[in-house]
Amino acid sequence: DTGVSQDPRHKITKRGQNVTFRCDPISEHNRLYWYRQTLGQGPEFLTYFQNEAQLEKSRLLSDRFSAERPKGSFSTLEIQRTEQGDSAMYLCASSSTPSYQPQHFGDGTRLSIL
Amino acid sequence: AQTVTQSQPEMSVQEAETVTLSCTYDTSESDYYLFWYKQPPSRQMILVIRQEAYKQQNATENRFSVNFQKAAKSFSLKISDSQLGDAAMYFCAYSGTGNQFYFGTGTSLTVIP
Repeated sequence: DTGVSQDPRHKITKRGQNVTFRCDPISEHNRLYWYRQTLGQGPEFLTYFQNEAQLEKSRLLSDRFSAERPKGSFSTLEIQRTEQGDSAMYLCASSSTPSYQPQHFGDGTRLSIL
Repeated sequence: AQTVTQSQPEMSVQEAETVTLSCTYDTSESDYYLFWYKQPPSRQMILVIRQEAYKQQNATENRFSVNFQKAAKSFSLKISDSQLGDAAMYFCAYSGTGNQFYFGTGTSLTVIP
C-alpha cells in the first residue's frame, strides 16, 4: 500500500492557461474523489468515480473542469482557461466500497494562478 | 443538502490535558456515517475516528473518542493526554446514502508544551 499519490505537488500558471493534475489511488480502491480546498476551508467535493464511471459532479464544477479515470486506475483533472479563483489545493482521495469506508487522501496539488 | 458545522476555528490545549472539538450536522437521513480527519501542516489528511449512526456506543481509538448525540445531531471529538503531534487542523465529515463526503470548515488545534 503506497498510498494515494498526486502529481505535481505545486503548479504555477498564468491566467488563461490549461492545467492537468494526476492522481494515482491506492490500487485496490475502486472509488476516487476530487476535492478543492481553499485556505481556511474544508475540502469541497468536485467529482467522484466508481471504477471508470464518473457518477457524480458538483454543481460547483464549471464546464472548464473535466475529469477522467480511464480503465478505472489513475485519474486526471483538467482545468481549462484558468481563472484567479481557481487558485486552491486540489485533493484526491480513494476508498473501497461501500460508501462509508473512509477515504485516503493524497498530499494534494497546490495551484497558483498568476 | 447536508451541512457540517464546526463552530471553533481555533482551539488550544496544554500538553497532557484533554480537549474537545465540536461538530454539528444537519441531515434528514437516518443512516449515515461521521468522521474526524486530521490534517497536519503541509501533510496528508488522515482518518482519526469513525462513527456509524446506527451504533449507540461512542467510538474510541486510543486517546481519541467521540460523543455522538444523534438526536442533537452533534458529534464532538475528545482528545485525551494531548501530545505535540496532535497539533493540526481537524475536520468533521459526514457521509450518507449518497456518494459525497461533506466536510466542516475545520478547527485548528494548537498544543502548548
